[in-house]
Amino acid sequence: DAKTTQPTSMDCAEGRAANLPCNHSTISGNEYVYWYRQIHSQGPQYIIHGLKNNETNEMASLIITEDRKSSTLILPHATLRDTAVYYCIVSLEYGNKLVFGAGTILRVKS
Amino acid sequence: DGGITQSPKYLFRKEGQNVTLSCEQNLNHDAMYWYRQDPGQGLRLIYYSQIVNDFQKGDIAEGYSVSREKKESFPLTVTSAQKNPTAFYLCASSIWDQPQHFGDGTRLSIL
Repeated sequence: DAKTTQPTSMDCAEGRAANLPCNHSTISGNEYVYWYRQIHSQGPQYIIHGLKNNETNEMASLIITEDRKSSTLILPHATLRDTAVYYCIVSLEYGNKLVFGAGTILRVKS
Repeated sequence: DGGITQSPKYLFRKEGQNVTLSCEQNLNHDAMYWYRQDPGQGLRLIYYSQIVNDFQKGDIAEGYSVSREKKESFPLTVTSAQKNPTAFYLCASSIWDQPQHFGDGTRLSIL
């Protein structure tokens, strides 16, 4: 499984867009990029995933570079409830092994 | 509502005892997974099962055992052979071409 690199932490003002970067330079052609988040003492929550095209759902947008070596998760209007650890994971679509790194701690501040 | 239920939320074990963590799903998902999370770290895969009566070891299976006798249930036993069992345990399930969804976890502590 490809490994990912994320910043340890980020701050974002409430109401502004939060842009969380992820590097995955060793991603293979059939691996997807997944994003999950985890609020303290809860199970991870699925956010979004994609292969090569940009994706958008009710929670977020995912921008994947053309060479697929990096991606950005965008929360368009961050709220205090978006404060969490965000994990970027690369895996086959039927993800038998989701390899979680340490993730990015996002702090949304009022 | 459909979902994944893990019980209990908090569990205490005496040294030398085996303990079983429950995971039940009513999502009709074929695959189920167990992960372990230590403080400040990401999740690590213990065991996973793609179909009933079949399961595979993950990255840290030593000291753990599982069974998959029913599609909706995937209990995890933490045996006395697991030297450092204190952790947050998470169960997940998925169906073909859909992402994994997680329960709310069981926090295991050693007395």
